[in-house]
Amino acid sequence: AQKITQTQPGMFVQEKEAVTLDCTYDTSDPSYGLFWYKQPSSGEMIFLIYQGSYDQQNATEGRYSLNFQKARKSANLVISASQLGDSAMYFCAMRDLPSNSGYALNFGKGTSLLVTP
Amino acid sequence: DTEVTQTPKHLVMGMTNKKSLKCEQHMGHRAMYWYKQKAKKPPELMFVYSYEKLSINESVPSRFSPECPNSSLLNLHLHALQPEDSALYLCASSQESGRGQETQYFGPGTRLLVL
Repeated sequence: AQKITQTQPGMFVQEKEAVTLDCTYDTSDPSYGLFWYKQPSSGEMIFLIYQGSYDQQNATEGRYSLNFQKARKSANLVISASQLGDSAMYFCAMRDLPSNSGYALNFGKGTSLLVTP
Repeated sequence: DTEVTQTPKHLVMGMTNKKSLKCEQHMGHRAMYWYKQKAKKPPELMFVYSYEKLSINESVPSRFSPECPNSSLLNLHLHALQPEDSALYLCASSQESGRGQETQYFGPGTRLLVL
């Protein structure tokens, strides 16, 4: 069974600083995809970044980058130059094992990030 | 455009009511999903529709009834709900190209309160 682990229930970071949110995963499938989502208090799940297991380079999207260490089975999200609007819950997720149709996501428990002035 | 819309944003219903949640996407995605999320918990998958056919039903009680009228629309019909069904209901969609790396895009959710 696949599993996503986020060990940091809550994190604080000062505005303009960088922060790393941890995510480890466990899967026996050589082909997998890892996702990070941001969920503000409004509730919407906002897609941030994707990393495929065969991607040669770490994914980056603006201020977001993924520190992908395949041998350690970790996919940590790095947010650079934090902004007050980054305060939210962050979920790491993995695409489930291939099925005939539809690809459910397995989510970690999430990390609540608070950016302080 | 990666927009998924959901209506209503908020819903309060009694245990004897019948209501429906609506989800719509115009990205040409062929897979659509319903998730349920309790406070301070990750989303839990309820249903998956692929090419307008129900492909996954995660042992959801029959008081939740999904419907996919066409490739752009997904409904969740609610009947005789319990207070413990109060939660945020999220709809998502993804391209179904078969490569398995598709990103799921979520709507803003419907906050449901069952009294």
